[in-house]
Amino acid sequence: DAKTTQPPSMDCAEGRAANLPCNHSTISGNEYVYWYRQIHSQGPQYIIHGLKNNETNEMASLIITEDRKSSTLILPHATLRDTAVYYCIVRPGNTGNQFYFGTGTSLTVIP
Amino acid sequence: SAVISQKPSRDICQRGTSLTIQCQVDSQVTMMFWYRQQPGQSLTLIATANQGSEATYESGFVIDKFPISRPNLTFSTLTVSNMSPEDSSIYLCSAFPGDTYGYTFGSGTRLTVV
Repeated sequence: DAKTTQPPSMDCAEGRAANLPCNHSTISGNEYVYWYRQIHSQGPQYIIHGLKNNETNEMASLIITEDRKSSTLILPHATLRDTAVYYCIVRPGNTGNQFYFGTGTSLTVIP
Repeated sequence: SAVISQKPSRDICQRGTSLTIQCQVDSQVTMMFWYRQQPGQSLTLIATANQGSEATYESGFVIDKFPISRPNLTFSTLTVSNMSPEDSSIYLCSAFPGDTYGYTFGSGTRLTVV
């Protein structure tokens, strides 16, 4: 079952940073936070994941609070192509366990 | 990361018929999964496709309706049986390749039942 809470929708101006929040107050010590996005009903695309340290890659940054009960995905310079549904998922990391999706946040990047 | 080829990409089917969806992964993977995404909704896990044993179904999904095969470590099929208009959805397969990138997804099969 999904263990995360996300706002249903957000807007962001093109070129600005998009900050997408996620609450996961019941996260366990061995669970990672994963972020995926789905563009226009394509297959979900991996963005980033982390355990407790902040992470950054070529797509985004992930900020996890010290108590690990919430996190924020940051798209530093949003483009129109970043318009998508963003899913925050918590699960034990690097194992083949089931992957459950919540309702996600529909991000619209506005020109 | 692993690449999944899923087919067909879309189909329109008559009620009462069955459709088999195929997923081919370009590397061996231990775990494969099947999801359904109803219009405007999030993804719902249908089942885990286990190699060499029966699939494990989530609550609300049964083998008679969604039989799954997993003949080897790179391939799986999902059949949607005795279809009704309520089965109109996008069906997606996923694989866990065991690397740090998490799960890889196919591009989905858009099914319309008329």
